[in-house]
Amino acid sequence: QKEVEQDPGPLSVPEGAIVSLNCTYSNSAFQYFMWYRQYSRKGPELLMYTYSSGNKEDGRFTAQVDKSSKYISLFIRDSQPSDSATYLCAMTSIINQGGKLIFGQGTELSVKP
Amino acid sequence: ETGVTQTPRHLVMGMTNKKSLKCEQHLGHNAMYWYKQSAKKPLELMFVYNFKEQTENNSVPSRFSPECPNSSHLFLHLHTLQPEDSALYLCASSQVSGAVIYEQYFGPGTRLTVT
Repeated sequence: QKEVEQDPGPLSVPEGAIVSLNCTYSNSAFQYFMWYRQYSRKGPELLMYTYSSGNKEDGRFTAQVDKSSKYISLFIRDSQPSDSATYLCAMTSIINQGGKLIFGQGTELSVKP
Repeated sequence: ETGVTQTPRHLVMGMTNKKSLKCEQHLGHNAMYWYKQSAKKPLELMFVYNFKEQTENNSVPSRFSPECPNSSHLFLHLHTLQPEDSALYLCASSQVSGAVIYEQYFGPGTRLTVT
């Protein structure tokens, strides 16, 4: 079983839709959770960073962590064509030396005008 | 720009060549990382350096040799690579401080093609 599972997609939605991206994980020690956005031929760009359970909002983006279910989500409201990218979830724990991140496979999102 | 730069952005090399990838971070971080990203696969951590000391070598073949002369610079020396080593090589940096883990910031990557 992979430590982090993420549906690779591709996911295609119309402009203005609410997008839900999800990851599940198996290691209950994970405490730090991140979402990265990666455009084609670019490096990953940090979108959201959360610690432990709960919600965090930043503009059109909301990150949600449910540690009891080992499940994290990223919601994008009023999606735009510029949101078309691959979204990577990543997580780690204080036990992981040097803050080693474990990544999901990435979900490819396409927002159609 | 994330404050992490990588050169070159693209590299084509033969299997007998020797080349080096360079990464520089301008964020004052104390940890740096090399990742490999292949199509349809999760990012694979290759090496971790904390305070210039290598703390992780994730079973990487010896044809990849990292070097970290100071906390701002990281190199990946390549020699006698195989075609399956063709991938996007990403450098990242972060601040690691005791019991707190901070987010990692990535460079734009080097697209490597081995012929």
